Amino acid sequence: AQSVTQPDIHITVSEGASLELRCNYSYGATPYLFWYVQSPGQGLQLLLKYFSGDTLVQGIKGFEAEFKRSQSSFNLRKPSVHWSDAAEYFCAVGARGYGGSQGNLIFGKGTKLSVKP
Amino acid sequence: DTEVTQTPKHLVMGMTNKKSLKCEQHMGHRAMYWYKQKAKKPPELMFVYSYEKLSINESVPSRFSPECPNSSLLNLHLHALQPEDSALYLCASSQEPTGGLVNEQFFGPGTRLTVL
Repeated sequence: AQSVTQPDIHITVSEGASLELRCNYSYGATPYLFWYVQSPGQGLQLLLKYFSGDTLVQGIKGFEAEFKRSQSSFNLRKPSVHWSDAAEYFCAVGARGYGGSQGNLIFGKGTKLSVKP
Repeated sequence: DTEVTQTPKHLVMGMTNKKSLKCEQHMGHRAMYWYKQKAKKPPELMFVYSYEKLSINESVPSRFSPECPNSSLLNLHLHALQPEDSALYLCASSQEPTGGLVNEQFFGPGTRLTVL
């Protein structure tokens, strides 16, 4: 069965420090992978996505992620964190539908990022 | 326009009330979704509409009734809800996946629902 694991429930980093949020997936074929960010009480905003091709993908707000098939990982990185990056981050895998049914997103449990001044 | 709008932003209702949540997008997407999100949890899929037809119902209780009047609008009708239904309700839309594959979903800001 498809699944997504985000091992870190809560991470705190200092402003200006680098960031890496971990995501591991379980999926039988080449996955479609996404990172979303959610500020408190808000909807989800897509940061970046991986469908195929270059395994290092660039997203908005200075984020990037690297797809590593051998490790079943899609970790999110940012070289220098800003206080406004404090939010909840969700990794998701696009699961293929079968028998004509719709494919859908499977979300990890999320990682809360806190930023120290 | 890459925005999904949702109204109202906040809703408080009693267990005997009937209310509706509304969602609208003008990106030409033909797939629309309702999610329920409890605090500190990921979104849980409730319903998927594809070309205005209900394609997925994730065993949601009948007190939640979705409706897709046209390709831009999605409603969620609420009746006889329970306090445990209090949550953030998110709407999303995407291009229609082909071959069962998944496109990125664009989310609205959500409706914060409180059931008393």
